[in-house]
Amino acid sequence: DGGITQSPKYLFRKEGQNVTLSCEQNLNHDAMYWYRQDPGQGLRLIYYSQIVNDFQKGDIAEGYSVSREKKESFPLTVTSAQKNPTAFYLCASSMSEGYEQFFGPGTRLTVL
Amino acid sequence: GQQVMQIPQYQHVQEGEDFTTYCNSSTTLSNIQWYKQRPGGHPVFLIQLVKSGEVKKQKRLTFQFGEAKKNSSLHITATQTTDVGTYFCAGHLFYSGNTPLVFGKGTRLSVIA
Repeated sequence: DGGITQSPKYLFRKEGQNVTLSCEQNLNHDAMYWYRQDPGQGLRLIYYSQIVNDFQKGDIAEGYSVSREKKESFPLTVTSAQKNPTAFYLCASSMSEGYEQFFGPGTRLTVL
Repeated sequence: GQQVMQIPQYQHVQEGEDFTTYCNSSTTLSNIQWYKQRPGGHPVFLIQLVKSGEVKKQKRLTFQFGEAKKNSSLHITATQTTDVGTYFCAGHLFYSGNTPLVFGKGTRLSVIA
């Protein structure tokens, strides 16, 4: 099956710990995205990558980091510098910018 | 800052009533996309509009893109309980080159059976 996978579905971490969220796609898409979703806030862009080995900050990049070493993978690290990391994180991909985005099932991160 | 505004934020309807959500941008859009997110799920692409004044239909859903390419609407005729969810519009800003979609905050639709 083609699609986007995110793991894990639920993640709990202690305050002060870094945590890495996985995102993998087998759609052969060039562009990948990370969004954060909070109740009533819609989708806010954290980072995006339009091609391997390149990525750009989105609207709320502070406290997050990414890498794009492979076309199919775009992991997101939530660092201890992120002041309010508890949220629902969605990864998406598209053929390239301007095309429809396909979303993964999301990871719900809770920092205790 | 937020450049794509979506109203209303919430809408509660009786099953069988119609529903409309509106999307407005402060700048011209090169295209507009609509997504639906079911409760507990992830956004799923519905449609993309590109041309000024474009109207597209998907069964009971009608999508419009304004003449000035600054606004869009999604209209659902005779809502059903399967229509429950949050509807997002998202657009590419015309002047911004190859930059990502800007999402509205969404309209959450509740349908009372």
